[in-house]
Parts: sequence; structure tokens; C-alpha cells
Amino acid sequence: EADIYQTPRYLVIGTGKKITLECSQTMGHDKMYWYQQDPGMELHLIHYSYGVNSTEKGDLSSESTVSRIRTEHFPLTLESARPSHTSQYLCASSDLGRGSEQFFGPGTRLTVL
Amino acid sequence: RKEVEQDPGPFNVPEGATVAFNCTYSNSASQSFFWYRQDCRKEPKLLMSVYSSGNEDGRFTAQLNRASQYISLLIRDSKLSDSATYLCVVDTGRRALTFGSGTRLQVQP
Repeated sequence: EADIYQTPRYLVIGTGKKITLECSQTMGHDKMYWYQQDPGMELHLIHYSYGVNSTEKGDLSSESTVSRIRTEHFPLTLESARPSHTSQYLCASSDLGRGSEQFFGPGTRLTVL
Repeated sequence: RKEVEQDPGPFNVPEGATVAFNCTYSNSASQSFFWYRQDCRKEPKLLMSVYSSGNEDGRFTAQLNRASQYISLLIRDSKLSDSATYLCVVDTGRRALTFGSGTRLQVQP
């Protein structure tokens, strides 16, 4: 079954730790995205990718980095987590064509103490 | 000004009511439009695409007015399970779909 997966679903970690949020999709989509969303607030695009070896920053400045070495995999890394990084991180993917539906993963809820 | 604007609500309606949401967009070159639904602490999911001629899916009707640059969603015979945040989404041709901040609906028994 084609789907989009995120791990871990929940992460509580101390300040200064390096973390990687995983995102994988089995739909063969070229475009992938990372969004940040605080409870009850709007989605903010922080990173996107058009395909392998393509990564771009989104609308919201983020201290995180991403990589796209394989089509299906789009991990997000925070080198040194801080309490201000506490949020929900949502990964999404879509076809390249304009107007394509974006499919979202279940999200990772990150808490930095 | 935001590219996609929605009334945040909340809209509190009784079961069985009809409720309508509007959304305005600023980029006249936008070509594709969607309504997504997001439940509390869950990911957004596509509810329906919005076509120029308008479209209906069961109790849900979506309409597009290009001249006035707004999109609407009508929900008839509201159910408790319709309680969620409804996101207006526009393809402006930029790198990703542009999501509105959402309209919260609470259907009450």
C-alpha cells in the first residue's frame, strides 16, 4: 500500500542534542516537503525538494537541514535542539505536476526540554 | 496581506445544520484549488478538489468564483464527525501548495 511514513511519532529530548526526523514515502513522488505547525496554528513550509539532490528552504526560516539522497527518503536534521524547536513537524509528498495533491505523513511531535 | 485568507472561526453549529465557509486568494494566476480537513493533532487530508464548474461530494459542495477570487465550501446536514479545521488550499504555481490558516468547525449535539 502506497503511503508516507514518519518516525518517531513523538520525541522528547534535551537541549543541545542532535536529532533526525525520518520521512519516507512509497508513492514514487518526486516532490517532498517539511512543514512546521504549532498547536492550533497554521502550517509553515520549512523545506522542500523537487527530487534527488534537490533541496530548498521554504517560507519559514529554520535552523534545520534536509537531504534527499534517495527519492523515497527526506530526513530532517537539527544539529543542536533548543526549546524553541518544540513543535509538530509534518512531512508531505506530491507528484511533480502542477496542482497535484499533497499527501501528508502523520507527523512527529517534538518536545525539547 | 496573506495569499489565502480564511475566517478562523470557530463556527459552532448544531447537528443537522448547514454551514458555509469562504476563502479568498490574492494571486489571480492560481489554477488549482482544494479543501483539506485537519483533525486536532492530526495531519491534513484532502477533502475535495474545487473545479470551476463547482462540484459536490455527498453532503459537501465546493464552488469557485474566479472573478471575485474566492472559494466556498458548503456542508449540509452537519454531523458530529464533521468537527475539524477546514483548510483552503491554492496552487499559486510556487514551490508548494499555499495553505490557509484554517476555519474551525465545531458541530454540537
